[in-house]
Amino acid sequence: KNQVEQSPQSLIILEGKNCTLQCNYTVSPFSNLRWYKQDTGRGPVSLTIMTFSENTKSNGRYTATLDADTKQSSLHITASQLSDSASYICVVIGAGGGNKLTFGTGTQLKVEL
Amino acid sequence: NAGVTQTPKFRILKIGQSMTLQCTQDMNHNYMYWYRQDPGMGLKLIYYSVGAGITDKGEVPNGYNVSRSTTEDFPLRLELAAPSQTSVYFCASSYLADRASYEQYFGPGTRLTVT
Repeated sequence: KNQVEQSPQSLIILEGKNCTLQCNYTVSPFSNLRWYKQDTGRGPVSLTIMTFSENTKSNGRYTATLDADTKQSSLHITASQLSDSASYICVVIGAGGGNKLTFGTGTQLKVEL
Repeated sequence: NAGVTQTPKFRILKIGQSMTLQCTQDMNHNYMYWYRQDPGMGLKLIYYSVGAGITDKGEVPNGYNVSRSTTEDFPLRLELAAPSQTSVYFCASSYLADRASYEQYFGPGTRLTVT
């Protein structure tokens, strides 16, 4: 069964600190992986998308890495801000069709003063 | 562009009542999707559509119906509401131009409670 597991489940950090969120998946065959940010009460918004041939992708203070061999991805947030407080969701898209998305349960990040 | 819009934002239903969740996109996207998000769980696909007149079941379609008469609209119908359908519902859309990249744009969600 295709699965996407994220860790930690929740995380609290101080403003200005860095953090790394993890995503392990078993989806196969694999097409691409993306990270979404979901603010409370809002729909998910895409941060990065990586195909199997890409190892890293940055979007401002967000940097995602992908190791397709070990089926692991990480999202690194640099110099965190209060506005980074949100749920971060890892989504893996299987090859062969646009409807084959598997969502992780997300990491709830809280950035405090 | 307004993107993906959903109405209503909140709704409380009694068991057995019916309702339609509305979803509209103005990006001329071919694909549209309905998801539900339960607390502490990942989004689950209910139904999707690859174009006007074409719909198909997702992972959790029981208790729901959809139609796609236009490119812009993709309503989700609950016929006999049950407490198990208490959830947050998200509509999304995408334009399938590249098989390696399925960028989906999400609406703000509808929070539904069935009591």
